[in-house]
Amino acid sequence: DGGITQSPKYLFRKEGQNVTLSCEQNLNHDAMYWYRQDPGQGLRLIYYSQIVNDFQKGDIAEGYSVSREKKESFPLTVTSAQKNPTAFYLCASSIDWGTKNIQYFGAGTRLSVL
Amino acid sequence: AQSVTQLGSHVSVSEGALVLLRCNYSSSVPPYLFWYVQYPNQGLQLLLKYTTGATLVKGINGFEAEFKKSETSFHLTKPSAHMSDAAEYFCAVKRNTGFQKLVFGTGTRLLVSP
Repeated sequence: DGGITQSPKYLFRKEGQNVTLSCEQNLNHDAMYWYRQDPGQGLRLIYYSQIVNDFQKGDIAEGYSVSREKKESFPLTVTSAQKNPTAFYLCASSIDWGTKNIQYFGAGTRLSVL
Repeated sequence: AQSVTQLGSHVSVSEGALVLLRCNYSSSVPPYLFWYVQYPNQGLQLLLKYTTGATLVKGINGFEAEFKKSETSFHLTKPSAHMSDAAEYFCAVKRNTGFQKLVFGTGTRLLVSP
C-alpha cells in the first residue's frame, strides 16, 4: 500500500544535540511538507518542498533544517538552535503544489527533550 | 492572508446526537476549504473538501459540510454521533490560486459519551 512513513514514532533529544526525523513516501508525490503540532495551536508549517532539490521555509523554520535529495525522502533535522523542540511532528505530501491537491499525512513523530 | 477560526476547543455530545463543529474562514479570494480528523497519536486524515461547485459537500464516515460564502463559514455536521467519532477535527483553508500553504485552525476535540 502507498503511504507516508515517519520514523521513529518517539524520539528523545538531549541538550545541544541535533536529531533527524525521517519521512519517506511511496506515493510518487512531488511536494512534501513538515508541520509542527502543539496542543491548542493547530499545525504550523516548518518547511516545504515543491520538487526534488528545492525547499522553502515555512512559518517557523528557525532551528530546523531539511534536505530533498530524493523524491521519496524529506528528512527534518531539529538543531540545537531550536530551544523548544518538544512537539508532535507531522510530514505530509501532495501530488504537486497545485492548489486543489490534497495533502496526505504520516502518523507523526513525537519529540521530547531529556 | 488566509485564516481559520474554530469555535470551541472541545465539543461534547451524546452518542446518537447531532454533531456540529464550527469553522469560519477569512480569505480575500474564494478559498478552498478542508476538514481533517486526527485520532490520538496519529496523523491527519481528510474528511472532506470544498473547491468549487456544490456548496454542500459530503465526506467519509457520514460527515458533511456546507460552504456559506455570505457567512464565511464551513461548519462540519453529522446527524448522529458514534463513539468512534471521538477525535480532534481541524478545519483548513487554502487560497485557490498559485501555491499557498494550508492554514489550519486550532482544532476542536469531539467527545462522545454513551
